[in-house]
Amino acid sequence: QKEVEQNSGPLSVPEGAIASLNCTYSDRGSQSFFWYRQYSGKSPELIMFIYSNGDKEDGRFTAQLNKASQYVSLLIRDSQPSDSATYLCAAGRNYGGATNKLIFGTGTLLAVQP
Amino acid sequence: GAVVSQHPSWVICKSGTSVKIECRSLDFQATTMFWYRQFPKQSLMLMATSNEGSKATYEQGVEKDKFLINHASLTLSTLTVTSAHPEDSSFYICSASPDSLTDTQYFGPGTRLTVL
Repeated sequence: QKEVEQNSGPLSVPEGAIASLNCTYSDRGSQSFFWYRQYSGKSPELIMFIYSNGDKEDGRFTAQLNKASQYVSLLIRDSQPSDSATYLCAAGRNYGGATNKLIFGTGTLLAVQP
Repeated sequence: GAVVSQHPSWVICKSGTSVKIECRSLDFQATTMFWYRQFPKQSLMLMATSNEGSKATYEQGVEKDKFLINHASLTLSTLTVTSAHPEDSSFYICSASPDSLTDTQYFGPGTRLTVL
């Protein structure tokens, strides 16, 4: 079982719709969760992070965390063609170093159709 | 804020040569930086954790003698791929965290290495 799992997609949604991206993690010691967006050929760009159960909203993005179910999601409202990218979910925990490591999922490819 | 740069953005080299990649945090100090590798259509794989003033911590399966990491200052880490081979061709990305209390990592733009 992979530590962080995502459906590879592609997830296709029409422009203006809500895109829902999901992620599960296996390590209950994970303390923090991140969503990154990665355009083809580019490096990841931070969208949001969440530490506590519940929802966290930032503009068109809402991250949801359910630690009991070991589940993280990202909702993108009013999806735009420019949102078309691969979305990476990452879980962080301390492995004894000064800074926590992040374990990344394989990413979900989102395609927003004009 | 939280800008990370990498140099070079791309490099082509002959098999057997060494290549150095620089990672700099431009507007913050980073005690810890991370080096990742990404092959086409695959996710990020953490290679090593670079700690300022001490030895890097390598992930299992990553050869520390082949991928030399130096974290000389709070704003600069370098990765040297020694005796590069075509199978080392990949997208190398560094990241840094501006706050040791959080896990948030900001990524550099990446370096695309092609070994002929």
